[in-house]
Amino acid sequence: QVQVEQSGAEVKKPGSSVNVSCKASGGTFRGYAISWVRQAPGQGLEWMGGIIPMFGTPNYAQRVQARVTITADESTSTATMELTSLRSEDTAVYYCAIQTTGNFEYFQYWGQGTLLIVS
Amino acid sequence: QSVLTQPPSASGTPGETVTISCSGSSSNIGNNYVYWYQQLPGTAPRLLMYRSNQRPSGVPDRFSGSKSGTSASLAISGLRSEDEAEYYCGTWDGSLLGPVFGGGTKLTVL
Repeated sequence: QVQVEQSGAEVKKPGSSVNVSCKASGGTFRGYAISWVRQAPGQGLEWMGGIIPMFGTPNYAQRVQARVTITADESTSTATMELTSLRSEDTAVYYCAIQTTGNFEYFQYWGQGTLLIVS
Repeated sequence: QSVLTQPPSASGTPGETVTISCSGSSSNIGNNYVYWYQQLPGTAPRLLMYRSNQRPSGVPDRFSGSKSGTSASLAISGLRSEDEAEYYCGTWDGSLLGPVFGGGTKLTVL
C-alpha cells in the first residue's frame, strides 16, 4: 500500500509561481509513475503531467506545458510540481496521483489534494 | 470540454442497478483500457475499476465495468446510499499522448 502526503494549501497572486510537493511511502519510489491531476471548483479532472523518477524525463499535457515543471527526488521520495505565471483559472485542487508500475494510463493512489487559490 | 463524454447525472433508488456510460473515440477508448474513479464529496478520487472490468481489492463486486468499441460503462447493482458520489471514466489518448477523463457523472441515490 502506497501512502501519498501532499503539501498544504496555497494562496498566490496572479503572475506568481507555486510549488506543490508530494511524498510517497510504502514502495519503490523510483519506478512509480507520478502524476499531477487538477480539479477546478465544480469541474472535472485534468492531467497536467507526470514523471517516472528512474527515467527522470517528465511528460506534460500540451495545455500547460509552457508553465509547468515536474521534478522528483529519489533521496526523499518526493515529487514537486511548479506552476508559473499563475492565473485565476489555475485556482483548483491539485492531486498527486501514483501508479506503481510506471504507467501513466491510470492512477492507483491519490494524495489528499492541495488547494491553490490564485487571487 | 472533456475528451470523454459522460452523462452529467444519474440516479436510482436503493437496491436498483444503475449504469453510467462513457463515450470516446478510436484514439482513446477504442484502443485502450478504460478506468473508473469514484469521488465522494470533499475527498480525493479513488480507483474503482481498471483494465475496463477489473476491480482493485476492496471494491465490492456490486461494481462492474465493460467496454465495447469506443464506449464503456460502469454498472452499480444493489445501489446503496454510500454509492452517492461523482464517477469519472478515464483512459489513455494516443493522439494527445496522455491520460484523459470524462466530465464526471453525479450519482444520486433517491
